Amino acid sequence: GAVVSQHPSWVICKSGTSVKIECRSLDFQATTMFWYRQFPKQSLMLMATSNEGSKATYEQGVEKDKFLINHASLTLSTLTVTSAHPEDSSFYICSATRSGYEQYFGPGTRLTVT
Amino acid sequence: SQKIEQNSEALNIQEGKTATLTCNYTNYSPAYLQWYRQDPGRGPVFLLLIRENEKEKRKERLKVTFDTTLKQSLFHITASQPADSATYLCALRYQAGTALIFGKGTTLSVSS
Repeated sequence: GAVVSQHPSWVICKSGTSVKIECRSLDFQATTMFWYRQFPKQSLMLMATSNEGSKATYEQGVEKDKFLINHASLTLSTLTVTSAHPEDSSFYICSATRSGYEQYFGPGTRLTVT
Repeated sequence: SQKIEQNSEALNIQEGKTATLTCNYTNYSPAYLQWYRQDPGRGPVFLLLIRENEKEKRKERLKVTFDTTLKQSLFHITASQPADSATYLCALRYQAGTALIFGKGTTLSVSS
């Protein structure tokens, strides 16, 4: 099966600092990676779509300067939350697709900003 | 904009019964409709995919139906077990390569 990993699985940071989350496809090359955010008892909300080597496409309402996405290779995408604030505390989940049909999800990263 | 509604936030059933979860959507039908399982603090795990030209799909104790006239999908778990307790998410995809759009999920609790 296709495996997607995320690192770290949880992180606590102070308000105003930046946090980087990594998403890797371990056994396949991902043509596209997606970043979602999930608040408690809420649905997964798509933040951005990223293709290797090109700029990410952000969903309406998601600040691209705050949530920096880098998709440097077919197996790695990173999300950096810059100048994090308590309202950015959430569960961040990445997913990857290889053929465009199946979408495989990472285990998620719990971010807490104090 | 597209709306996805999963009939209830929570569903409680007894072990051995069949759980039926509903997913309704507005506007036009997606190319693919998928069901995922999500456990607390974990990412979603893929269960089943059904295409718009398919009526029904089965996998072991799971069955999914897709009615594009009603704009509805039903997800059944037969002979349910306590280990089936989790949140089940309905997700739509309109074309290959685009992101899945998720419903809020239904949290299933199976009691022994």
